[in-house]
Amino acid sequence: DAKTTQPNSMESNEEEPVHLPCNHSTISGTDYIHWYRQLPSQGPEYVIHGLTSNVNNRMASLAIAEDRKSSTLILHRATLRDAAVYYCILRPSYDYKLSFGAGTTVTVRA
Amino acid sequence: NAGVMQNPRHLVRRRGQEARLRCSPMKGHSHVYWYRQLPEEGLKFMVYLQKENIIDESGMPKERFSAEFPKEGPSILRIQQVVRGDSAAYFCASSPLTGTQETQYFGPGTRLLVL
Repeated sequence: DAKTTQPNSMESNEEEPVHLPCNHSTISGTDYIHWYRQLPSQGPEYVIHGLTSNVNNRMASLAIAEDRKSSTLILHRATLRDAAVYYCILRPSYDYKLSFGAGTTVTVRA
Repeated sequence: NAGVMQNPRHLVRRRGQEARLRCSPMKGHSHVYWYRQLPEEGLKFMVYLQKENIIDESGMPKERFSAEFPKEGPSILRIQQVVRGDSAAYFCASSPLTGTQETQYFGPGTRLLVL
């Protein structure tokens, strides 16, 4: 499985944007980039996914580098409820499994 | 529309006992996935089931673990003769279709503690 590299932790202030980087230099052409997050004591929750183009939804935006070797999840205005572990996952087009790494623990300060 | 339901939320077993974890997928979902999260580790895929079929059990330990998803009723993850190393959070997820980029919807998990 192609690997992703994320910072262990990030801090943000409430109502400020959060940019979460993810490096995936060994990504293949059939790998989709998925982001899930896991709030404390809960199951993971889907955030967003994309292949080549930038994507937006009500939760976040996903910016994908032109060479696809990196991507950034953007939370536009962090709230205390966004404090969670965020996982960047490469998912081959043929695969249904999600391969979770260590993720980035996001702390939001009031 | 109720989300994925798992029960029990917490389960305590003594070594050698059996643990049964139940997962009811979201309404209309016929695909279930089980993941395990050991303490201080990431989630690891265990098994993928459709109704009455095991599609992929490549992540299941070879002994003591089994899973089923009957035609009627919830999916069951069964652990026989539990050991302390089985203590973990077990999450199930469901999806409506078999498409590989389908979103998986996770339940709140069952936290198993083996004494």
